[in-house]
Amino acid sequence: DARVTQTPRDKVTEMGQEVTMRCQPILGHNTVFWYRQTMMQGLELLAYFRNRAPLDDSGMPKDRFSAEMPDATLATLKIQPSEPRDSAVYFCASAWTGENTEAFFGQGTRLTVV
Amino acid sequence: GEDVEQSLFLSVREGDSSVINCTYTDSSSTYLYWYKQEPGAGLQLLTYIFSNMDMKQDQRLTVLLNKKDKHLSLRIADTQTGDSAIYFCAEARMDSSYKLIFGSGTRLLVRP
Repeated sequence: DARVTQTPRDKVTEMGQEVTMRCQPILGHNTVFWYRQTMMQGLELLAYFRNRAPLDDSGMPKDRFSAEMPDATLATLKIQPSEPRDSAVYFCASAWTGENTEAFFGQGTRLTVV
Repeated sequence: GEDVEQSLFLSVREGDSSVINCTYTDSSSTYLYWYKQEPGAGLQLLTYIFSNMDMKQDQRLTVLLNKKDKHLSLRIADTQTGDSAIYFCAEARMDSSYKLIFGSGTRLLVRP
């Protein structure tokens, strides 16, 4: 049962704390995307990786967000320090990218910063 | 600009057809997608169309592509209450290493 797994599903944290979200992409996929979903902004692309190398992270606030792929089975998105405006659902998606980039999404991490 | 644009909301009566529209930005995009998001879940691919096609039909779904106007639509025939969800269009931008950009989503409400 190939699927993208995200942990945790829900996270409530206090402002100023570090938050780490994890994603296990589908085995064999070469591209990983991180998106943030809010009511106001819709689905924003934060960063994406191809073959573990970052291709574009221009959608991320650089001062507090960082995204990495320490190995092919794990992608992480960290926020330090977190702020209430970071509250959103964060989705990871993976794909085998050729011309057709059919992306498979995880269930998301719902982050609440109080 | 960067944005893929969709109307935010559509309400239809059960049994009617729904048409969800989208405008995209990159003429080099080779594949265009429609995803569905149900409450509390991630996005799931519904269908996609290759840019050299004008139309694709898949059961109750019809995708129309007007490449000249960069306009994409999704028609759902005989809309059911189970079709109530948020629908996203997306483009894979070939000139940006297939960066996958989504619209803001159209919330479809199907009334009994």
